[in-house]
Order: sequence, then structure tokens, then C-alpha cells
Amino acid sequence: GQQLNQSPQSMFIQEGEDVSMNCTSSSIFNTWLWYKQDPGEGPVLLIALYKAGELTSNGRLTAQFGITRKDSFLNISASIPSDVGIYFCAGHSQGAQKLVFGQGTRLTINP
Amino acid sequence: DAGVIQSPRHEVTEMGQEVTLRCKPISGHNSLFWYRQTMMRGLELLIYFNNNVPIDDSGMPEDRFSAKMPNASFSTLKIQPSEPRDSAVYFCASSLQGGYTEAFFGQGTRLTVV
Repeated sequence: GQQLNQSPQSMFIQEGEDVSMNCTSSSIFNTWLWYKQDPGEGPVLLIALYKAGELTSNGRLTAQFGITRKDSFLNISASIPSDVGIYFCAGHSQGAQKLVFGQGTRLTINP
Repeated sequence: DAGVIQSPRHEVTEMGQEVTLRCKPISGHNSLFWYRQTMMRGLELLIYFNNNVPIDDSGMPEDRFSAKMPNASFSTLKIQPSEPRDSAVYFCASSLQGGYTEAFFGQGTRLTVV
């Protein structure tokens, strides 16, 4: 079935550092979405991307829809303790309605 | 505005019992998704509905699992009989425009089968 490869699986950083994670697919995607999940909660949408090459920011978060339509990245600048959580990429491949998810990146921040 | 509402938040049941999870999607959304999350397998799509009609149930693990959407504001996921390996967090999500747009998630139901 459709798979998204998300990396890294986990990150341990110091507060204030920048973070970068990415997601790749073996097929072309029409949308890329980035979610964050806090413990005991459902995933919350951070950024949605709909066009190849699109670069979108949401506060300290920036995400891009890769020009090949097979990848996306998420950057977090100047990390703070509340950024801790699991980040998921997700997307719709061409012609597909169902949203598939990456394996997640667990972010831990040392104060 | 209310988001996706799931109930119960937690369910503990004995093996062999029937379990019913409930979901109320965001008003106006016409696609609904059921996901299961475990440490080993991450977020797995079980089934999704478009305009109350099941479109793809290929992710449903086996015949013990069934899902219904009798109207645009309610869906259930039923497991009968439940087994310990069904223990997971089950999420419901809804989206607009046939599922090609972003999905919004409920808080999940944590199911423990003992």
C-alpha cells in the first residue's frame, strides 16, 4: 500500500535550536499536510500545502511542498518547550481520497 | 465551533465483549475517517466514508470490525468480539470536499481489552 517515509524518527535538541524533518513518497502527491500530536490528544493540523513548490509559514513553522511532488519538509525555528510532541506528515496521492500518514518524528527538547 | 467529538475517551473491556466507538464529525464535512494508532504500526486508516457511504474499508483488520454512518452527523466503529490485540487509540477525523482537503481529528478513544 501507499507509504510515506518520514525522518528522522526522533530528535533530541536544545531549546532555541532549529528543527528540520522531512517526508518522502514513492508516488506523486497532490497535498501535503503536517500535524502535531500531544500526549493523549489527537493530531492537530499545523500546515497544509496544495501546490508543488509552495512554501508556507505558520509562526515559527515553515513547510514546503517539494517540486517533484514526492516530498515535503517542515522546519521549526528557535524551538521552545511546547514544541515537544510527535510530528506527522500526511498527504493524498494522485486520485486518492484517503489521507496516508508518515511514521512520525518524536521531538524532545532539553531546556 | 465544536470539533470532531468522540466517545468514550477511554474504554476498558474484557476479551470477547462487544465494543462500540462513536464519532460526531464537524458539521458540514462530508468525509469521515476512522484511524487506529499503535506504537508498532503508527496511524492506520481503517475505513473512510464520503457522503455517508463507505468508500474504502480495505484497512479494516478483519470481520470482527464494522463501521456505519447512518447520517451525516454520526458514525460508529464496532468490534465484536474484542481481543487484546485490538487495544489501541482509535481516532475519528472529518474533512470537507470529498477528502481531498485537510482532515480534523477528534481526541480519540483509548481502548484496552483485557
